[in-house]
Amino acid sequence: GNSVTQMEGPVTLSEEAFLTINCTYTATGYPSLFWYVQYPGEGLQLLLKATKADDKGSNKGFEATYRKETTSFHLEKGSVQVSDSAVYFCALYHRGNTPLVFGKGTRLSVIA
Amino acid sequence: NAGVTQTPKFQVLKTGQSMTLQCAQDMNHNSMYWYRQDPGMGLRLIYYSASEGTTDKGEVPNGYNVSRLNKREFSLRLESAAPSQTSVYFCASSESGTSDQPQHFGDGTRLSIL
Repeated sequence: GNSVTQMEGPVTLSEEAFLTINCTYTATGYPSLFWYVQYPGEGLQLLLKATKADDKGSNKGFEATYRKETTSFHLEKGSVQVSDSAVYFCALYHRGNTPLVFGKGTRLSVIA
Repeated sequence: NAGVTQTPKFQVLKTGQSMTLQCAQDMNHNSMYWYRQDPGMGLRLIYYSASEGTTDKGEVPNGYNVSRLNKREFSLRLESAAPSQTSVYFCASSESGTSDQPQHFGDGTRLSIL
């Protein structure tokens, strides 16, 4: 079945460091891919998405490119801030498969 | 801007007690979902309702029941609470469950069962 695998956390970075959180997926065809973010004490909120191969989703300085050849959707940010400390979830939606399939989440801590 | 509202925010129960978690959305969404979040397990889908009048089991439905009361409201009931159900519960909604429209989440209910 469809699945999403994220890198294990936690990830701890210094402010202004470069961030990569890896995400790979297993699915037939062409799923839509998402990154959600969960700030402390809150629910998840959509960060960015991409719906077809080679699409790049971007928001708040974060980017992710839908790579069909490597079945990946890695999240990147050039310079992280303390306020980016959160849990990040990769997810996929495949037409015909109701609800999203979520990865297990990666906790990011950014220290000043 | 209410979005998805969950009540209560916190609850402590004794083993064997029952309770209902409430969820309401004001975005006129068709689909609603209940998840639980446990350390190291990510989000796991308990039940969902693709549209008013329908409900379906998710990954971990045992020990839970749901009611889609109307288009706005989707409740989750624990008939006989067990310590294994200690978790953070999230309700979410989306315009449609059969499209790639994003899900909108509430802030969660933190439930402890002693």
